[in-house]
Formats: sequence, C-alpha cells, structure tokens
Amino acid sequence: EAQVTQNPRYLITVTGKKLTVTCSQNMNHEYMSWYRQDPGLGLRQIYYSMNVEVTDKGDVPEGYKVSRKEKRNFPLILESPSPNQTSLYFCASSSRLGGAGYGYTFGSGTRLTVV
Amino acid sequence: AQSVTQLDSHVSVSEGTPVLLRCNYSSSYSPSLFWYVQHPNKGLQLLLKYTSAATLVKGINGFEAEFKKSETSFHLTKPSAHMSDAAEYFCVVTAPGSGGGADGLTFGKGTHLIIQP
Repeated sequence: EAQVTQNPRYLITVTGKKLTVTCSQNMNHEYMSWYRQDPGLGLRQIYYSMNVEVTDKGDVPEGYKVSRKEKRNFPLILESPSPNQTSLYFCASSSRLGGAGYGYTFGSGTRLTVV
Repeated sequence: AQSVTQLDSHVSVSEGTPVLLRCNYSSSYSPSLFWYVQHPNKGLQLLLKYTSAATLVKGINGFEAEFKKSETSFHLTKPSAHMSDAAEYFCVVTAPGSGGGADGLTFGKGTHLIIQP
C-alpha cells in the first residue's frame, strides 16, 4: 500500500530534550515536506526537500532541522524543544514540486507536547 | 502572491441535506486547486483536484467542486450529507513560483463540518 509513515503518533517530552520524528514513504517520491498544524492557523510548512541531500526552509523553520540522506526518509529533528513547538506535525510527499496536479500524500500525524 | 480564504470556519448541516463549503482564492498564475479532508486523529486525504482541465471536478465520497475563474472560487459540494462526512476540510492552492510557502502551496485555515442526525 502506498503510504507515508510517521513515528511516533504521540509524544510528550520535556523542554530541551532532543527528539526526532521519523517519516518514510514507499512511493519513490522525490519531494517531501514537513508541516505543523495549529488551531486557527491551518498548516504551515517547516522544511521541504526536493531530492536526496537537497533541503530548504519553509515558512516556520526556526527550532527545527531535517536531513535527507535517503530518498524514502525525511526525519524532523528538534534539537532543543520548547513549549511553543507543541503542535500536530504532518509529513507529506509528492512526485512533483508543489504537488503540481498530483496532490500530496500525507502521513497520519505526530502529536507533540513539550512541557 | 497567492492566498486562500475559506469563508466559514464551521458549517453545520442535517444528515441527508446538501453540503456547501466555500473557498475563494487569489493567484497571479494559473493555479491548481485541491480539497483535502481530515478526519479526527487522521492525516489529510485528497478529496479532489482541479488542474486546468474540466471546471467541474468530481472527487471521492460523492463530493464535487466547480472552478469559477470569474468569481475566483472553488466551492466544495455534496448533494446529501452523511454522518461519516463530519471532518475538517482544507482548500489548497498551488502555483509554483508564485509564493505561498517555499513550494508554492497555500492552505486555507479549514472548515469544520458538523453533521446533525
């Protein structure tokens, strides 16, 4: 089944403790992206990657890092999480930049709480 | 630059009655437009997409949307609501190179659809 898999689904952590949210897709998509979803703000892009070793900042990259060492994986790293990073996170992939007529496939989300 | 406005943050209808979720957009380029649905505790699922072919687009689960360039609208409709349609719906516009996120993708803030029994 074609899918984007995120782990974990739920995570509660403490301020300053490094964490990684994993994202993997099995569709051989070139393009992958991370979003955060907050009430009243919709989805905002954190980082995206157009291919292996090619990443760039989205609208809200502060406090986050990513890497793209393999085509299928695109982990999101929070080196020193803070409470304002409490949010619902989604990973998405597409065979074209901007979904150009193809649309995105989204993961099921990771609900992160930083206390 | 481009933008998306979902005109209603919440819409409540009775089961079996029509659904209308409104979306207006602005874009300097020929856009592609999408509707996504998000059920509680789930990821976003693509409902339908417009990519400059037919202006009336049919999607999954009986939903359809009509692209009206003169009105810059892309409203989502369904003739008869079902309880399983209760979810959050997002209108999305993309025109790569036109701004709106690093990949040209702009999300609306969402419409919460409530179905009354």
